[in-house]
Amino acid sequence: AQSVTQLGSHVSVSEGALVLLRCNYSSSVPPYLFWYVQYPNQGLQLLLKYTSAATLVKGINGFEAEFKKSETSFHLTKPSAHMSDAAEYFCAVSDPTGRRALTFGSGTRLQVQP
Amino acid sequence: GAGVSQSPRYKVTKRGQDVTLRCDPISSHATLYWYQQALGQGPEFLTYFNYEAQPDKSGLPSDRFSAERPEGSISTLTIQRTEQRDSAMYRCASSLGGSSYEQYFGPGTRLTVT
Repeated sequence: AQSVTQLGSHVSVSEGALVLLRCNYSSSVPPYLFWYVQYPNQGLQLLLKYTSAATLVKGINGFEAEFKKSETSFHLTKPSAHMSDAAEYFCAVSDPTGRRALTFGSGTRLQVQP
Repeated sequence: GAGVSQSPRYKVTKRGQDVTLRCDPISSHATLYWYQQALGQGPEFLTYFNYEAQPDKSGLPSDRFSAERPEGSISTLTIQRTEQRDSAMYRCASSLGGSSYEQYFGPGTRLTVT
């Protein structure tokens, strides 16, 4: 069984500050990991993915995440927050075999203060 | 189509009524997923299709829920005798299948059972 824990349901940062959204996973097999972003009234948009290649993964909009097997973590970072980054962010894990359905965390809402 | 579409975007129904939700995936995508997302939570897997085959229904919460994809493209999710606890966002995602793991999500259908 797989699971994802996102620490902090709400994170608030100032514009220009570092963004750090935390994700820890549990998986009995080598996981595939994803970050999705949800803007209001829109669907989930894929930000980035880890599929067992490079452990530092770069995504869209300046976001990146690092896979750390020893810490079972896949934290999302961005060096400088923009107002447009305000959204809800979901971390997800996929079984690389079989149905490949995603198991999501409960989400972190990012607020960016001017 | 260019992206995953879902209809209706919003549905309000009375308890005990049946509802059918529709998903139109990206046209080249073999695999289609349905997820249920309660308020404040991440999406949870319901079922999926490879073309018209439905290998896994394990996430469907009760036998009131059913899904089909008869021609391997458009899919419907039907909830019979709706209950208030069925109120949620229902999300559809499609994937190319094969060696691809990315899932592309539609905007979702917000179901409210009164």
